Amino acid sequence: DTVMTQSPLFLPVTLGQPASISCRSSQSLLFSDGSTHLTWFHQRPGQSPRRLVYMVSDRDSGVPDRFSGSGSGTDFTLKISRVEAEDVGVYYCMQHSHWPHTFGQGTQLEIK
Amino acid sequence: EGQVVESGGALVQPGGSLRLSCAGSGFTFNTYWMNWVRRTPGKGLEWVANINKDASIKRYVDSVEGRFTISRDNAQNSLYLQMNSLRAEDTAVYYCLAWGPISFWGQGTLVTVSS
Repeated sequence: DTVMTQSPLFLPVTLGQPASISCRSSQSLLFSDGSTHLTWFHQRPGQSPRRLVYMVSDRDSGVPDRFSGSGSGTDFTLKISRVEAEDVGVYYCMQHSHWPHTFGQGTQLEIK
Repeated sequence: EGQVVESGGALVQPGGSLRLSCAGSGFTFNTYWMNWVRRTPGKGLEWVANINKDASIKRYVDSVEGRFTISRDNAQNSLYLQMNSLRAEDTAVYYCLAWGPISFWGQGTLVTVSS
């Protein structure tokens, strides 16, 4: 199985400051058709996860542009340009280039 | 606004069976791949199974292969997960996930396998 490794696992951030989460896969996520199936989810406390970014860098409808995804191959990053209070919760990366689809362990973002 | 709602979670004894259901609404159900994902305290999020739009493709994670069966009824906008030979390690919150241009997660349904 493709192992997804996130860092850091715990991320305290000051309001208005940037934040960055890294996700590394144990094998390349470059799919046979040239696409890369790497997705980021956000789960607020007590809520279901919500997809933020898919195909590495495409934001879902309604996702603020302070969120951006980047990367290729095995190294990926989710960046938040200016953290807001509503951004607290757990962030997961997930790959679906290989079966079974696999998630990272999650990164807990909290406000300092 | 689209949504999916799971039901059917319960406390069941090891070796028992359970059927989870997921009702979709507010989106064109038959154009979405549908998925079951579970969350366990020890392993975090795990993709359990998925099914394509016309049910011609079904895939399972190795740990449930041969025990779980995913199915869908597009006429009823519903997704199912038949779980047999349940084990303690199947204890989890099970989420239904619609995957398409928009992604919808349900609120989850708790399955507890314990004697």
